[in-house]
Amino acid sequence: EIVLTQSPGTLSLSPGERATLSCRASQSVSSRFLAWYQQKPGQAPRLLIYAASSRPTDIPDRFSGSGSGTDFTLTISRLEPEDFAVYYCQQYGSSPPATFGQGTKLESK
Amino acid sequence: QVRLQESGPGLVKPSGTLSLTCAVSGGSISSPKWCSWVRQPPGKGLEWIGEIFPSGRTNYNPSLKSRVTISVDKSRDQLSLKLTSVAAADTAVYYCVSGGWYFEYWGQGTLVTVSS
Repeated sequence: EIVLTQSPGTLSLSPGERATLSCRASQSVSSRFLAWYQQKPGQAPRLLIYAASSRPTDIPDRFSGSGSGTDFTLTISRLEPEDFAVYYCQQYGSSPPATFGQGTKLESK
Repeated sequence: QVRLQESGPGLVKPSGTLSLTCAVSGGSISSPKWCSWVRQPPGKGLEWIGEIFPSGRTNYNPSLKSRVTISVDKSRDQLSLKLTSVAAADTAVYYCVSGGWYFEYWGQGTLVTVSS
């Protein structure tokens, strides 16, 4: 099983700052199969990034993804108040086919 | 846009069977992409339960494989989840998701509590 470890567990930043979230895999993951989600309290997760760096059309361009192999990063260039939430990375392809990281909570300082 | 709506009992007794359905609208459950179930215990992270392809082939999380069945009724565009021998650890919000390798569309989720 591929284990995804996200860091930090909690990130405290202010609006306007840059956020960098990390996702490290226990084995190499194809970039094609790495995604990021945002979840706000009481809501379902929302797809932010797929294929490591592609963005759905409704996601603002301040969200970007990068990385390959075992190290992936989600960057939010300038934090907006609505960006404070929990973020999960997810991989697909190895038994079990899909696993999630444990999440990074992005909180307002 | 695809919409997913989960439904089912919100309370299940220990050792019983959890049964949920997911209605798909705005698209077809038989599209090239496929559907999965994901759950989230209160205050915790996300756990993938399993998936079903348009062909009917399924894959399950090994940790749940002996207890879980996912099926689809193409004529009704409906997805189903059954989880047997439930315990308190199965208390979670259960999500129906669609999209394939990544989960593009999510239902709103339904909370299932396992308690006597």
